[in-house]
Amino acid sequence: GAVVSQHPSRVICKSGTSVKIECRSLDFQATTMFWYRQFPKQSLMLMATSNEGSKATYEQGVEKDKFLINHASLTLSTLTVTSAHPEDSSFYICSAGRGGLFDTQYFGPGTRLTVL
Amino acid sequence: KNEVEQSPQNLTAQEGEFITINCSYSVGISALHWLQQHPGGGIVSLFMLSSGKKKHGRLIATINIQEKHSSLHITASHPRDSAVYICAVRAGDSGAGSYQLTFGKGTKLSVIP
Repeated sequence: GAVVSQHPSRVICKSGTSVKIECRSLDFQATTMFWYRQFPKQSLMLMATSNEGSKATYEQGVEKDKFLINHASLTLSTLTVTSAHPEDSSFYICSAGRGGLFDTQYFGPGTRLTVL
Repeated sequence: KNEVEQSPQNLTAQEGEFITINCSYSVGISALHWLQQHPGGGIVSLFMLSSGKKKHGRLIATINIQEKHSSLHITASHPRDSAVYICAVRAGDSGAGSYQLTFGKGTKLSVIP
């Protein structure tokens, strides 16, 4: 099956620093990638939809200046958490699909961010 | 916006038992996903279905579009099936290039040897 990778898998940073998370589709081209956040014992919450070559579409309540998304190629999307604060500590997951109407989504393994 | 409800929230079963997890949604959809999330956090897509029934190994997923309901069944459950099972739906009016998902809160399954 299709594979989506994320890097890093785990990151600990100090408050005020920026953290970049990469999401790659390893064996297919993904015109659209999705970024989710999951707090403990909660379900996944969509943060934004990342489209290759264009600006990301953010969900209501998600600050686009804080969570910078870049979809530079058909196989790579990045999420940068700027000026991270402890409340940004969460599990961040990306997913990607080939784009067909009835195609499934393939999820990355997730990145656990801890902001001290 | 679609509301996705799963039941039960928690389920403990003895190894070998037949397990059923239910998912109901409020608005018409184009597709429904069943996902598996292990304690480490990684998510695996088990099924995507828009009608009828699908089977993969010991897993069976069914959907009733009229009743807006889907079930995930696990036959001959095993401790390695222990995970959180998540139902997610894609809106019925999504265009071909968009398939944002609405997620249920998940069902935590523990299979005891």
